[in-house]
Amino acid sequence: DGGITQSPKYLFRKEGQNVTLSCEQNLNHDAMYWYRQDPGQGLRLIYYSQIVNDFQKGDIAEGYSVSREKKESFPLTVTSAQKNPTAFYLCASNRDSNQPQHFGDGTRLSIL
Amino acid sequence: GQNIDQPTEMTATEGAIVQINCTYQTSGFNGLFWYQQHAGEAPTFLSYNVLDGLEEKGRFSSFLSRSKGYSYLLLKELQMKDSASYLCAVTKLNRDDKIIFGKGTRLHILP
Repeated sequence: DGGITQSPKYLFRKEGQNVTLSCEQNLNHDAMYWYRQDPGQGLRLIYYSQIVNDFQKGDIAEGYSVSREKKESFPLTVTSAQKNPTAFYLCASNRDSNQPQHFGDGTRLSIL
Repeated sequence: GQNIDQPTEMTATEGAIVQINCTYQTSGFNGLFWYQQHAGEAPTFLSYNVLDGLEEKGRFSSFLSRSKGYSYLLLKELQMKDSASYLCAVTKLNRDDKIIFGKGTRLHILP
């Protein structure tokens, strides 16, 4: 079955530490997205990528970085510059922006 | 600019009907998605409207008026499992443009 997989499900970060969230899809989708969701809030776009080796900043890119070296993979690094990283992170993919997004199950990041 | 508005919260009774509205202002509008998101879970796709009118899919229907910048999601015969957030999202004609999500409407169903 095709799908989109995020790991880990829960992640803890120490002060000053970078952490990387994994997102893999086997749907052969060109576009991939990272969103941040805070409690009781909507989705805010961090980064998105329409094609391999290319990505664009979303609305809240500061303190985050991404790479898109393979079509299947779009990892997100939460750097120490992100001062308030505690949130639910969702990865999504679609063939293009006019197709429904398929979402992973999310990663919940907390500060130790 | 670009803006999407939805009510923050709504409450309805099991077995009833509820309408969740979404208004948007954006240039180059193409279509509007509705997603359902249960607490702590990922959003799941409900509907996509590009043309004006009502599209029905079982207990859920979605309506779009492009001239008014307005959409609604209609849920009939409400069940307790319909308690969730409902997100509307706008797509643009330029496929390089990102999808824009509203903040979501939290729907509470009372027995």
